[in-house]
Amino acid sequence: DAGVIQSPRHEVTEMGQEVTLRCKPISGHNSLFWYRQTMMRGLELLIYFNNNVPIDDSGMPEDRFSAKMPNASFSTLKIQPSEPRDSAVYFCASSLGGSLFGEQFFGPGTRLTVL
Amino acid sequence: GENVEQHPSTLSVQEGDSAVIKCTYSDSASNYFPWYKQELGKRPQLIIDIRSNVGEKKDQRIAVTLNKTAKHFSLHITETQPEDSAVYFCAATDREYGGSQGNLIFGKGTKLSVKP
Repeated sequence: DAGVIQSPRHEVTEMGQEVTLRCKPISGHNSLFWYRQTMMRGLELLIYFNNNVPIDDSGMPEDRFSAKMPNASFSTLKIQPSEPRDSAVYFCASSLGGSLFGEQFFGPGTRLTVL
Repeated sequence: GENVEQHPSTLSVQEGDSAVIKCTYSDSASNYFPWYKQELGKRPQLIIDIRSNVGEKKDQRIAVTLNKTAKHFSLHITETQPEDSAVYFCAATDREYGGSQGNLIFGKGTKLSVKP
């Protein structure tokens, strides 16, 4: 398996633009997590899905952020409109979940810069 | 929900010395405690984990101890090497939603520097 795949790896955009980050979890994993990492705030959980259903989105900063998981192999995190304070590394992670709850496997991350 | 505190935020040791990083958690229902290592510019990767039915676990130079009564767990690295330099994160499960649908709450991280 190729592991968790994220795209793009780097994104530079201007304030006000829409940004879409993509994630493909490891096949067979039924839990998917979106994190944001900054120097100031560390690694923050934004939202997580279990069997494609959003379980907890309390970490989503505001209405400008939205996430979807239309099927077991794809998820998106959208920011609209983007702001400079959204600049961060966004990680997607997946895990087996359920009774096998354990290791989360992280993707390589998307480094977002909003000018 | 779960709250995880991690100390110290930075740690500098000489090569060959031991390093200890400590974390406390608030949710007594938490039952899974992983440690992740993140090298500069890379993704976090699991290095060791422990479940609540075990007090200690060791993997070569790395060990983790868990004290459920005191709600704290620690990472021990012996015979440190320069390649151990990285940021280490502890985490604990947040069982707010019950059952097995838990997520991880991460500590703020410890930047470990091993000087040759």
